[in-house]
Amino acid sequence: EVHLVESGGGLVKPGGSLRLSCAASGFTFSSYSMNWVRQAPGKGLEWVASISTTSNYIYYADSLRGRFTVSRDNAKNLLYLQVNSLITEDTAIYYCARDRAGGYDFGYWGQGTLVTVSS
Amino acid sequence: SYVLTQPPSVSVAPGQTARITCGGSDIGTKSVHWYQQKPGQAPVLVIYYNKDRPSGIPERFSGSTSGNTATLTINRVEAGDEADYHCQVWDSSSDQVVFGGGTELTVL
Repeated sequence: EVHLVESGGGLVKPGGSLRLSCAASGFTFSSYSMNWVRQAPGKGLEWVASISTTSNYIYYADSLRGRFTVSRDNAKNLLYLQVNSLITEDTAIYYCARDRAGGYDFGYWGQGTLVTVSS
Repeated sequence: SYVLTQPPSVSVAPGQTARITCGGSDIGTKSVHWYQQKPGQAPVLVIYYNKDRPSGIPERFSGSTSGNTATLTINRVEAGDEADYHCQVWDSSSDQVVFGGGTELTVL
């Protein structure tokens, strides 16, 4: 069974940084692209970034490019999201998601980790 | 950048048919995916590639696309279908995943 568990969220001051992690199990992690999607309180889903199996292809939402860095460690089955220069608008639940079978339809989601940016 | 437009809310009585639209330029040429999200839970994929259902999703859920509109149809709506529904595409021209703003389905 596919299992995705995010961690690393918390309360951070504006201008601060966080590294979010997503631990994957139940599938061959190195065979799937992975993604980060976030959801601000009471708002819709917002795609953050996608990373290919070998990290050769990395895509970011245009509005977030520059402050967010996605990476992965296939040996440890871990996905990461480094977020710098946090602003209050970054307050959201951050989900990691795996495609269902090679496309950009996200068939598997973690439970999310909450990031709160506040002074 | 590519934009997907959904109505903020749709209401339907139990047993009736709910139709949730997702508008986008030439969306009929793209692959549209739909997610159901209940309060406090992660999204669940209910339709992929416009019309296919993952295992475990009831046949009452179906999807279609035509021109500039994609539609998620839920037949014989049940109270348990009350949730937010999000459409999503991959925009190859900009290498971006795009989500619609989401539609809150209320079962009266």
